[in-house]
Amino acid sequence: AQSVTQLDSQVPVFEEAPVELRCNYSSSVSVYLFWYVQYPNQGLQLLLKYLSGSTLVKGINGFEAEFNKSQTSFHLRKPSVHISDTAEYFCAVTVGSGAGSYQLTFGKGTKLSVIP
Amino acid sequence: SAVISQKPSRDICQRGTSLTIQCQVDSQVTMMFWYRQQPGQSLTLIATANQGSEATYESGFVIDKFPISRPNLTFSTLTVSNMSPEDSSIYLCSVDLGTTSRYFGPGTRLTVT
Repeated sequence: AQSVTQLDSQVPVFEEAPVELRCNYSSSVSVYLFWYVQYPNQGLQLLLKYLSGSTLVKGINGFEAEFNKSQTSFHLRKPSVHISDTAEYFCAVTVGSGAGSYQLTFGKGTKLSVIP
Repeated sequence: SAVISQKPSRDICQRGTSLTIQCQVDSQVTMMFWYRQQPGQSLTLIATANQGSEATYESGFVIDKFPISRPNLTFSTLTVSNMSPEDSSIYLCSVDLGTTSRYFGPGTRLTVT
């Protein structure tokens, strides 16, 4: 079974500073990896995903993540954050079992607070 | 992408009562998923609902407590039965569009007093 660890429950950062949200996973097989964002009082929105190919994945709102197989990590980064990036971010992993049928396991989330 | 709506968006309920949450999607989907997000916790899958068949429940969740209906390819309901304060959570509906593209609704915020 796969699992996801988000190492930081809360990350405060000043506006226009860079940020990295850490995510490590454990799985004995190849995985697909995701980052979701949850803005206050909203549902989850897919930021980006890694399925295969280039290990650097670019997503929406200027975010990117790098898949590192040797370190079993999928850290999320943004070079310059904005107040509107204040939200909770969830890392998720799955082992694909066929189109439209896979178990998605989420981390506990990291609350990003951008300080003006 | 998909547009997913949920009703109600939030509710405060008394212990021992039941609440039915509706999920509507703007396109036809084979599988719909119901998740629970307890305060300060991550998302936990409750069940998977396919149209025309019984829902498949994850370990720790039972049909008597969380009955699900899936009458067509764009709609599903989740009922939280005989509620207790421990059921206070956000309940999220989710669908897959294509391989590895899971979309979530805005959630229903439930408080049980």
